Amino acid sequence: QSVLTQPPSVSAAPGQKVTISCSGSSSNIGNNYVSWYQQLPGTAPKLLIFDNNKRPSGIPDRFSGSKSGTSATLGITGLQTGDEADYYCGAWDSSLSVVLFGGGTKLTVL
Amino acid sequence: EVQLLESGGGLEQPGGSLRLSCATSGFTFSNYAMSWVRQAPGKGLEWVSIISGSGGRTYYADSVKGRFTISRDNSKNTLYLQMNSLRAEDTALYHCAKTGVVVGAGTARVYFDYWGQGTLVTVSS
Repeated sequence: QSVLTQPPSVSAAPGQKVTISCSGSSSNIGNNYVSWYQQLPGTAPKLLIFDNNKRPSGIPDRFSGSKSGTSATLGITGLQTGDEADYYCGAWDSSLSVVLFGGGTKLTVL
Repeated sequence: EVQLLESGGGLEQPGGSLRLSCATSGFTFSNYAMSWVRQAPGKGLEWVSIISGSGGRTYYADSVKGRFTISRDNSKNTLYLQMNSLRAEDTALYHCAKTGVVVGAGTARVYFDYWGQGTLVTVSS
């Protein structure tokens, strides 16, 4: 049921900015809120963004979220080696009444 | 401090059953929906099920519908997942997650703000 599409991998140099896209449809991203998660190697996922662009307490403002139409984007500025992780988007699908996750994007900080 | 601790995983044969538990602390359990999310070895996240704070509303992924049952005991601050008719493809690390959710008419919101470390379920003969 993974109908949210993310690029498998992205990379950038330390200090640079990277964006990760998440594409869906009108039944999920187009009409519902998107959340983003960071999963560092060997750890549980961590909520980075909820309601498209809100950061939980403790998440630095280097992380940002946006949405336009049926796509959402996670932005990370001032990249650090510690940001190397897998990133997932998620959203409710109103037609299927299920939660969908993207397939995940592996971020490499070169 | 919010804490979620899963237990109950293990090795089970195809067709068998397991019951996972998630003991929680640090928040008013009955006020929040809870979810199970799994991750097969080397794979991405797959949502399994959500239960409302009262336990009166549940949702399931198609892959587990009719085989898995989510429940909760608000007097014990504990979430459960009864897993029947297990298949090899159910092999995964199962996480419980505190869930922010509003679904129904209008814009739906679902997010998982706290996660447990997971309990490993292996289905193999």
